[in-house]
Amino acid sequence: DAKTTQPPSMDCAEGRAANLPCNHSTISGNEYVYWYRQIHSQGPQYIIHGLKNNETNEMASLIITEDRKSSTLILPHATLRDTAVYYCIVRVAGIQGAQKLVFGQGTRLTINP
Amino acid sequence: EPEVTQTPSHQVTQMGQEVILRCVPISNHLYFYWYRQILGQKVEFLVSFYNNEISEKSEIFDDQFSVERPDGSNFTLKIRSTKLEDSAMYFCASRQGGYAEAFFGQGTRLTVV
Repeated sequence: DAKTTQPPSMDCAEGRAANLPCNHSTISGNEYVYWYRQIHSQGPQYIIHGLKNNETNEMASLIITEDRKSSTLILPHATLRDTAVYYCIVRVAGIQGAQKLVFGQGTRLTINP
Repeated sequence: EPEVTQTPSHQVTQMGQEVILRCVPISNHLYFYWYRQILGQKVEFLVSFYNNEISEKSEIFDDQFSVERPDGSNFTLKIRSTKLEDSAMYFCASRQGGYAEAFFGQGTRLTVV
């Protein structure tokens, strides 16, 4: 699985958009970008994933650059409950294989009142 | 919303004792995982399980560890002879298949004394 690079920490004001970057310059054509977050010591929570098109769901938007070497997770209106460690993970997705997730250190996002 | 449930939430055991951590994955999921997180460190993959057998395991998952799906609903992780360094949060996860995301339980905090 391709390696990812994320800033160790970020701050964002409550109510503003939080933009979390991720570099994955060695990503392969069949690897998806997944985002998870971990609030305190709870189990990781799935946020969103994508291959090459931008994606949006009720939690966030995922913007993937055209060359797929980087992506940005956008939380449009951050709340205090969004304070967490955010993980960007790339992995092959398909029918074959168990496809474990390889977690890095992630970005510790702090939402300030 | 379906969820992965883990019991117990906290387990304290003496060094050398056997422990069994229990998980009930989401009912129509096909892939099952155990991860662990030592306090202050990354989430680490331990083992994946599919079609009633281990499909992948990490170096951490040595002969002291075993997994079982005894009755088609529960998924267990057994540590035969616990060591102090086994103290960690243990997370169970399950996934439907294909490119579907993994869902994590809230974890079992194992403390070996």
